[in-house]
Amino acid sequence: GESVGLHLPTLSVQEGDNSIINCAYSNSASDYFIWYKQESGKGPQFIIDIRSNMDKRQGQRVTVLLNKTVKHLSLQIAATQPGDSAVYFCAEKASGGSYIPTFGRGTSLIVHP
Amino acid sequence: KAGVTQTPRYLIKTRGQQVTLSCSPISGHRSVSWYQQTPGQGLQFLFEYFSETQRNKGNFPGRFSGRQFSNSRSEMNVSTLELGDSALYLCASSLAEVSEAFFGQGTRLTVV
Repeated sequence: GESVGLHLPTLSVQEGDNSIINCAYSNSASDYFIWYKQESGKGPQFIIDIRSNMDKRQGQRVTVLLNKTVKHLSLQIAATQPGDSAVYFCAEKASGGSYIPTFGRGTSLIVHP
Repeated sequence: KAGVTQTPRYLIKTRGQQVTLSCSPISGHRSVSWYQQTPGQGLQFLFEYFSETQRNKGNFPGRFSGRQFSNSRSEMNVSTLELGDSALYLCASSLAEVSEAFFGQGTRLTVV
């Protein structure tokens, strides 16, 4: 079936570096995308979302880029901090479908002080 | 406003027993979905309830079931527990199709 997947299972960076987490999706009908952060022992937390009529959206220290041509999504974290260490999931939804997001496997981001 | 609340936070059960997990969604959210998360796995979708009806179901055996009440609170049941059912069970609620799902802290189930 259609799925959302992540390229890199683990990403290690130094504090202060910029981090880029990538995600590929295969459902061409998906038109809403979400990034979640999950810290150890906690449920996933919403970070940022983007709709398919946009190709870039910025938040506080985070930017999401969407390339619909190649069905690729990325999350950029500027000036990565140790508190950013977590597992990051991308998720997709399709309008006219269900309310359920389809999740990728997750990328573990490790930030070294 | 209050977030998604899951109870209990931790649970230890014996093989063969059954368990019921509870989820209270954010006020106004009618969609409640359940996920199983195990080490090394992503979030695996169990089922979704909307206005007391199961609207979608994932690829899990019939031992996994759920329901939703008129106040949108949801319960999930697992019967005849197996060791492999040990996992973090997450509940999420959503307001609309094109909006984010908000997650609870999860229930950590350990089957011994």
